[in-house]
Amino acid sequence: SQKIEQNSEALNIQEGKTATLTCNYTNYSPAYLQWYRQDPGRGPVFLLLIRENEKEKRKERLKVTFDTTLKQSLFHITASQPADSATYLCALGDSNYQLIWGAGTKLIIKP
Amino acid sequence: EPEVTQTPSHQVTQMGQEVILRCVPISNHLYFYWYRQILGQKVEFLVSFYNNEISEKSEIFDDQFSVERPDGSNFTLKIRSTKLEDSAMYFCASSLTGTEEKLFFGSGTQLSVL
Repeated sequence: SQKIEQNSEALNIQEGKTATLTCNYTNYSPAYLQWYRQDPGRGPVFLLLIRENEKEKRKERLKVTFDTTLKQSLFHITASQPADSATYLCALGDSNYQLIWGAGTKLIIKP
Repeated sequence: EPEVTQTPSHQVTQMGQEVILRCVPISNHLYFYWYRQILGQKVEFLVSFYNNEISEKSEIFDDQFSVERPDGSNFTLKIRSTKLEDSAMYFCASSLTGTEEKLFFGSGTQLSVL
């Protein structure tokens, strides 16, 4: 069955360092992948989209990579700030534009 | 930036009662969705809606669930006879084209079934 794995344990990063979050998937061939941020008690907020034919996307301090051979996406936040603390969700989309979601990784940026 | 709004933010109901969760999607969006998230778990797709009909639905979206767009602005999710396991945060989302573009989510309705 299709499976998406994100680190279930919280990731603690010192302010100013780069945070790297991982999204692995199996038994699936996504056409695209999205990353969202979710704060407690709030809905997910879209951050970045990367398509299967793209290796890397950047937006300000954010960078996403997509390796369809490894079946993995990495999400990087450079120069991390305490305000970046949140849960980050990856969502994989198929050719019918249906999204399957990972459980998310909680990121804590310590001052 | 335009927002998806959901009401109420919290809903407490007795098992077996009907509840209606309300959403106002972004005005020029054409695709509407309901998702749910049980505390600490994944976001789960329930249903997508386009052109006044359901376009996709998941296994979760059984006969107890229905959606409606009663007017040009509201989009509702009805649960006819709530069960304890329906307790979750319910999110409405909308998108302009229904393709791989981003979804805009509301802040959710926390449903507690007692």
